[in-house]
Amino acid sequence: QSVLTQPPSASGTPGQRVTISCSGSSSNIGSNYVYWYQQLPGTAPKLLIYRNNQRPSGVPDRFSGSKSGTSASLAISGLRSEDEADYYCAAWDDSLSGPGVFGGGTKLTVL
Amino acid sequence: QVQLQESGPGLVKPSQTLSLTCTVSGGAIRSGGYYWSWIRQHPGKGLEWIGYIYDSGSTFYNPSLNSRVTISVDTSKNQFSLKLSSVTAADTAVYYCARDVAGTGWFDPWGQGTLVTVSS
Repeated sequence: QSVLTQPPSASGTPGQRVTISCSGSSSNIGSNYVYWYQQLPGTAPKLLIYRNNQRPSGVPDRFSGSKSGTSASLAISGLRSEDEADYYCAAWDDSLSGPGVFGGGTKLTVL
Repeated sequence: QVQLQESGPGLVKPSQTLSLTCTVSGGAIRSGGYYWSWIRQHPGKGLEWIGYIYDSGSTFYNPSLNSRVTISVDTSKNQFSLKLSSVTAADTAVYYCARDVAGTGWFDPWGQGTLVTVSS
């Protein structure tokens, strides 16, 4: 069971806006930055959002991140077929005195 | 542009030690104050952080694996390594190396990953 909670699945049609949530606690999301990763089928994860809402160069502005309290969200607007992937949130957890923690992942299906 | 590449045996016998190496290219491993990390992904499952070695050589491990994990660095070869002892079938996974920019879960870039199967 993951420390950060994500819905196992999400879906949308092309052009639609979808949101993926990530719920944690005061020791992780509540006091640390949140990161989002995209894992296309058969490939390694790729950084999508860093420090809650910053996009690395090369990531389309269709992807956006936000954080409020002990929860975070990833929004994808103008959904495209190539966005079909697994998405993971991550954060440091102060109470565990060690590991970064990941969410269980959300499989996004583009219908 | 920094790139990472994992290497090592794809098959390890139960009770033996899993050993993997991550070769860093495009930048010196001992520069910039990065946290060189190992992460694994069990088949069809999510991601699990294993641990990291910091620029200074300090290490930090996932408490659930702490007693079995060793991460080391070889600056002369621009590599860092993972050793996981007393493996079982539960350690079968794709192992990724990654650079953590700030030691906070900011993993970028990642290696392509290597599948390690524990089986006799």
